[in-house]
This record gives sequence, C-alpha cells and structure tokens, in this order.
Amino acid sequence: GAVVSQHPSRVICKSGTSVKIECRSLDFQATTMFWYRQFPKQSLMLMATSNEGSKATYEQGVEKDKFLINHASLTLSTLTVTSAHPEDSSFYICSARDGTRGFDNSPLHFGNGTRLTVT
Amino acid sequence: GQQLNQSPQSMFIQEGEDVSMNCTSSSIFNTWLWYKQDPGEGPVLLIALYKAGELTSNGRLTAQFGITRKDSFLNISASIPSDVGIYFCAGPNLYNFNKFYFGSGTKLNVKP
Repeated sequence: GAVVSQHPSRVICKSGTSVKIECRSLDFQATTMFWYRQFPKQSLMLMATSNEGSKATYEQGVEKDKFLINHASLTLSTLTVTSAHPEDSSFYICSARDGTRGFDNSPLHFGNGTRLTVT
Repeated sequence: GQQLNQSPQSMFIQEGEDVSMNCTSSSIFNTWLWYKQDPGEGPVLLIALYKAGELTSNGRLTAQFGITRKDSFLNISASIPSDVGIYFCAGPNLYNFNKFYFGSGTKLNVKP
C-alpha cells in the first residue's frame, strides 16, 4: 500500500530557531502533498497544499513566511517552521494521495507526524 | 459547506463488545474514508468507500456508504484493547478532490 514517511518524529528546538520537517512518498509519486496541524484532542487542520514544482497554497490564517513549504520532487515535500515560538508547538502531519493510479478519489495517506516542541 | 458531523465523541466499552460510530453531512460525498489514529501517530486508513450503498469490511471492521451519500457508519465487532484510538471519518470535496473534510473524531476506550 501507499506509504508516506515523515521525519523527524519528534523535535525540540529553542525559540527563534527554524525547524525543517520532511515528508516522503516511498512507493508512489505525489504531485500534491498536504500539511496538517493537529491540536490536542482535535481533528486535523489543513495548513497548506504543497504542489510539486510550484508554490504551495496556504489556508486562510496560515502565515506563508512562517511555514515555508518546498516540494522539489515528486516524492518529497518539506515544511520549515521559521523563527519558531512556543505557540508553534504542535503535532504536524503530512499526507499525500497516490494519484499515479489516475483515480481522483484516491484516499489520503498520512505520515506518522512530527511532534514539535519549542522551548 | 461540506462539513462532517461525527458521533459519538467518545465511547467507553468492554472488551468483546461491538461498536458503532457514524458520520453525517448536509452535503453529499462521492467518497467516504475511515481512519484510525493512535496517540502520537498519524491517521491510518482503515476503509475507503466509493459507491452509495457500498458495504465494505476489513477484518472486524465494517463500513457502509449511505444511500443518500450524506452519511456513513463504521462498526467494529468483538472489540479488543488495541482498538483503542481515535477514529475519523473523512471525504473529499465534490469539486476539488484535493480538499478533504474531517469529522471531529470518535475516541474509543476499551476496557480489558
């Protein structure tokens, strides 16, 4: 089945530093990947849609300069949290659809998430 | 918009019992997805439904795509402790397959 790998699984950083999170589709190509944020006991909140070879599409209220997204290849998207602050501490999850089957309704497959703690 | 209302919010059951949870929407969906999320991990796809009326099983799990295309349920039979987790329903926007909606989740607790 479609596998999405996310790294790192946990990261602790100091306030003001930047953190990069990687999301890879291991056995399929993903022209589109998605970045979600999840607060405790809540559902997933879409932050942005990452498009291979073009700019990401951000959801309303998500700062583009704060959450930099790069989708340089068909199997890799990265999310960089710049100048992190304690309020950025959260669980970040990436996902991708295996669109190579040409099935527009193909489901999302999720990475294992990254727990970011900013001290 | 296409919002998903998921219920119940949480359940406390005894090991061996059957469980049922559902998702409803005021709008129609062409696809219903059910995910399970364990603490500290990403959601894992359990069942995908693509056709109104479709009933699909995955081991002890059974899910159905409602005939009206506005609802779906997930049943778990003979629950075991490892069924503990949060279950989410989800579905893509009718006109933008890259926009997914998620239910608020059902937290399942199973007492051994």
